[in-house]
Amino acid sequence: DAGITQSPRHKVTETGTPVTLRCHQTENHRYMYWYRQDPGHGLRLIHYSYGVKDTDKGEVSDGYSVSRSKTEDFLLTLESATSSQTSVYFCASQVEFGTEAFFGQGTRLTVV
Amino acid sequence: QQQVKQSPQSLIVQKGGISIINCAYENTAFDYFPWYQQFPGKGPALLIAIRPDVSEKKEGRFTISFNKSAKQFSLHIMDSQPGDSATYFCAASKGGQNFVFGPGTRLSVLP
Repeated sequence: DAGITQSPRHKVTETGTPVTLRCHQTENHRYMYWYRQDPGHGLRLIHYSYGVKDTDKGEVSDGYSVSRSKTEDFLLTLESATSSQTSVYFCASQVEFGTEAFFGQGTRLTVV
Repeated sequence: QQQVKQSPQSLIVQKGGISIINCAYENTAFDYFPWYQQFPGKGPALLIAIRPDVSEKKEGRFTISFNKSAKQFSLHIMDSQPGDSATYFCAASKGGQNFVFGPGTRLSVLP
């Protein structure tokens, strides 16, 4: 998995609470991504980063924020979790555009 | 809305058979088309990728066929094996970043 880890792997949280998911990579990849995976939708891009403190919105960014203070860490925050954010979240990293994107093992988040 | 359509949703193939998954895209600016394989409980992993300057790319039992004029591309798995049973996602991107994924195809290869 090219040294990319996600934590936690599973989380159950209550509606309205903030949640932070962490992605850590040891490959010194410049580009990092957060996707959510839902049945029938494949993977949809939430946010991405092209360097430390450089982030941008993806297709489904509403209700999510990200931060990248170090090359190796990319945090995804659900500001006030809703049931529609129940999903499997995947982080990915990429050394350069047009190269292989390596995915983490995923975080299964359930909002009750 | 940039979309990648993928079919079939699920596919059952006998061992030794050929598995074919089709994708179609809309954005003519897309210039990088990877296929990802995902096993249950795991993250997607790159299987094979193609750029639009070639019409076909083969790696072992896996072949991508690309039709630029039709904006379609497909994955062929020759001599399918039970170990190939997984979910397959096609994707497309402009400049090799911010991939747009298809909804996935669940492949089951029967022994």
